[in-house]
Amino acid sequence: GENVEQHPSTLSVQEGDSAVIKCTYSDSASNYFPWYKQELGKGPQLIIDIRSNVGEKKDQRIAVTLNKTAKHFSLHITETQPEDSAVYFCAALSNYGGSQGNLIFGKGTKLSVKP
Amino acid sequence: DTGVSQNPRHKITKRGQNVTFRCDPISEHNRLYWYRQTLGQGPEFLTYFQNEAQLEKSRLLSDRFSAERPKGSFSTLEIQRTEQGDSAMYLCASSRRTGGYEQFFGPGTRLTVL
Repeated sequence: GENVEQHPSTLSVQEGDSAVIKCTYSDSASNYFPWYKQELGKGPQLIIDIRSNVGEKKDQRIAVTLNKTAKHFSLHITETQPEDSAVYFCAALSNYGGSQGNLIFGKGTKLSVKP
Repeated sequence: DTGVSQNPRHKITKRGQNVTFRCDPISEHNRLYWYRQTLGQGPEFLTYFQNEAQLEKSRLLSDRFSAERPKGSFSTLEIQRTEQGDSAMYLCASSRRTGGYEQFFGPGTRLTVL
């Protein structure tokens, strides 16, 4: 089945710097890749997503890139702010074995933005 | 608030007791998912409904777990004879049917089994 690897597990940056989180997936049939931000004690919040027919998508300070050939995708956050501090998860939509669309998540990246 | 809601937010129970959680999805969403998240891990898929039909179950969903979605609206997840290993955050998400890849999560129910 689908497997998603996420790196790094922790990332510390200075306010104003950029942060990059990378994920790889195993199932070439996966066609949807969302990113979630999870703050302590809360559920995951969808922040951006990309479909396999697009190579890059941007929303203000957040961008996601997808390389289908290499089966990896990345989250880029520019001009980081302390409120960006959270755990970020990448995910891939599983199509394995006739699945109707459950998400397979990476293990998360704890981002700390220091003022 | 038109987001996904879950109740209760926290549940502490003793080993061997039964517990039930409720999820109310976003009103126009007809797909509903349950996930489990343990500390330091990403959410893991448990089961999925389209309207009232339970279409998929993970091997993580042992026979002590049962989920229902009567009338295709809210859903309940019941765990019978709880074990300490069931301690986790139980998350519910919903999405639209048509082109509805986006899954929106609720705040979760934190279960602690003593």
